[in-house]
Amino acid sequence: GAGVSQSPSNKVTEKGKDVELRCDPISGHTALYWYRQRLGQGLEFLIYFQGNSAPDKSGLPSDRFSAERTGESVSTLTIQRTQQEDSAVYLCASSRGGQGVYAEAFFGQGTRLTVV
Amino acid sequence: AQSVTQPDIHITVSEGASLELRCNYSYGATPYLFWYVQSPGQGLQLLLKYFSGDTLVQGIKGFEAEFKRSQSSFNLRKPSVHWSDAAEYFCAVGIRSNDYKLSFGAGTTVTVRA
Repeated sequence: GAGVSQSPSNKVTEKGKDVELRCDPISGHTALYWYRQRLGQGLEFLIYFQGNSAPDKSGLPSDRFSAERTGESVSTLTIQRTQQEDSAVYLCASSRGGQGVYAEAFFGQGTRLTVV
Repeated sequence: AQSVTQPDIHITVSEGASLELRCNYSYGATPYLFWYVQSPGQGLQLLLKYFSGDTLVQGIKGFEAEFKRSQSSFNLRKPSVHWSDAAEYFCAVGIRSNDYKLSFGAGTTVTVRA
C-alpha cells in the first residue's frame, strides 16, 4: 500500500485478555519496527525485523509480548494476559532496511490500546 | 545509554509567529538527530535529520534545526507558523550509523491560535 497501515486503530480490552495488533508495512520495505508510546512518554523500541534475520526482541518488556512477521509482509504484535500498564499507543514503522539510520522509517497511525 | 529531553510539553503560538522547539540529548559523541511530526490522525513523518556537516539543516514544511554540540541541543525552528503546523513534534537520536533503534523524546504538542 501507499503507507504503513495498522489495525485496529483503537482497541479496548479487559484486563487478562489477549490482544493482537496488526501492521502492514510499505511494500518492498524489508525492515519493520514496533514502538510503544505511553501517555506523556517518548516512543519505546519494542522489536525489529529485518528480512530473514532473527528479530531483535531486546525491547519487549515481558514474555507476555511477542511478535511475528511473515516474510517481508504483515506483522502481528500479541500481548497476552493484558495489564493496565499495557495501555498505550503501539506504533509500527517500516524502512528499506539494512541501512541503519540512513533508511528513513515510515510510521503508521498507531493502535491505541486501552486495558480496563 | 543515550536519552532525549524535550523540556516543553505544550507550546501555544499565534499563527504567523515564530516557533522554536527544544531538544537536548545525552550522549558522549555526536549522535544522529531527527525531528518527526505527528499531525492528528496521521503517522509520524520525518521533518529533517542531521548526520554530519553543516549544523543548520533544512527540512520539509519550512522547518529548520540547528545542532549545537556545546549545548547538546538540536532545536527545531520555523519563522512563521501556519494553522496546519498544529501537531505533536518528536526529537529522536540514533547513536550509530548502523543502529536502527532510535531513542525518542516525550514530544511537544504545538497549538496554533488564530
